[in-house]
Amino acid sequence: DTGVSQNPRHKITKRGQNVTFRCDPISEHNRLYWYRQTLGQGPEFLTYFQNEAQLEKSRLLSDRFSAERPKGSFSTLEIQRTEQGDSAMYLCASSFSGKTPFSYEQYFGPGTRLTVT
Amino acid sequence: LAKTTQPISMDSYEGQEVNITCSHNNIATNDYITWYQQFPSQGPRFIIQGYKTKVTNEVASLFIPADRKSSTLSLPRVSLSDTAVYYCLVVGGDGGATNKLIFGTGTLLAVQP
Repeated sequence: DTGVSQNPRHKITKRGQNVTFRCDPISEHNRLYWYRQTLGQGPEFLTYFQNEAQLEKSRLLSDRFSAERPKGSFSTLEIQRTEQGDSAMYLCASSFSGKTPFSYEQYFGPGTRLTVT
Repeated sequence: LAKTTQPISMDSYEGQEVNITCSHNNIATNDYITWYQQFPSQGPRFIIQGYKTKVTNEVASLFIPADRKSSTLSLPRVSLSDTAVYYCLVVGGDGGATNKLIFGTGTLLAVQP
């Protein structure tokens, strides 16, 4: 257990439905990341928050995807009008920038596995 | 960002030392090398990070030659529980201030009894 939690762990939805995932990072971590991973591939970066500010979004993040981090604590990732191609593991990670600026240690949650039927 | 190349898979036996080599020919001066481990249905876990020469922690050692164009992750005396995918990442550079991680496909290490 890394201290990063994600809910739900599994989500099955029908094409066209909206889904929302939640990530609770380690409390003192100011950086929060979302990644997506498909079978046999490494995780792909989706978006990054520093505190409550969303500072970077990947081109992978279509306009159907939106992420928030209100108050700089937990984060949500919403996918609207889901498509079968959205089926993947969605991973959240957090880190703390203050201690060591060149540390690339991120703490990953267990992920939310999304299946779109 | 420097592209990394590592073997797709490796086999080993319990108790052996395993060395996984990663090449990153285009590594930039301000880039670091980091390795992550991932078990099925879990998120990746940080193993080790280095800039040059040798870094050792309680889990692994990381060897980086002077030209930094490659690196070797060394796992001493592996056990069945070390069966996992191991990712070599070059970070910094284009990662910029976000410190985002760019993963490849990794090396699947299979440890046999």
